Amino acid sequence: GEDVEQSLFLSVREGDSSVINCTYTDSSSTYLYWYKQEPGAGLQLLTYIFSNMDMKQDQRLTVLLNKKDKHLSLRIADTQTGDSAIYFCAEGGSSASKIIFGSGTRLSIRP
Amino acid sequence: EPEVTQTPSHQVTQMGQEVILRCVPISNHLYFYWYRQILGQKVEFLVSFYNNEISEKSEIFDDQFSVERPDGSNFTLKIRSTKLEDSAMYFCASFTPDGTYEQYFGPGTRLTVT
Repeated sequence: GEDVEQSLFLSVREGDSSVINCTYTDSSSTYLYWYKQEPGAGLQLLTYIFSNMDMKQDQRLTVLLNKKDKHLSLRIADTQTGDSAIYFCAEGGSSASKIIFGSGTRLSIRP
Repeated sequence: EPEVTQTPSHQVTQMGQEVILRCVPISNHLYFYWYRQILGQKVEFLVSFYNNEISEKSEIFDDQFSVERPDGSNFTLKIRSTKLEDSAMYFCASFTPDGTYEQYFGPGTRLTVT
């Protein structure tokens, strides 16, 4: 079945880059997403990438997709304390489809 | 910016009781969803709803669950007889195919079953 896996924790120093990795199993995934969840808050879409793209950049965020290996990564440049959150990798078959989420990676920032 | 709202933010209920979780999706959206997140676990899809009927549901969405769009504004999730394992954060989401590709999520309702 569909599954999305990601590491549970990442700690980075303020100002460094954070790279969160994810793998997924469904080769028919059309949309791959990164959501951010701050404590006590809902899910905020950070960015998404179509499966026919290799890379997408949006300000401090860079998404890389290796479709052959079904590997997705999110790079946050110049990580700030406000970036502390749980980051969910997710995939969907079409824009209206259900979204399958990974377990989330908790990003903590150290001074 | 338009947003999805959910009420209540926290619901405590006793095992066996019925609960209704309410959501107000973004007004021009056409697709509606419920997801849940048990503490410390993945966000899981429950059900999607389009054109006044369920379009897809997961294994979790058994006969104890139902959804309704009673008045063209609200979108509700009913759990008929709650179990301890229904304790979770329940997220509503809505979407419309306007080229943004984003399902907008509400802030969630934390359901605690005692």
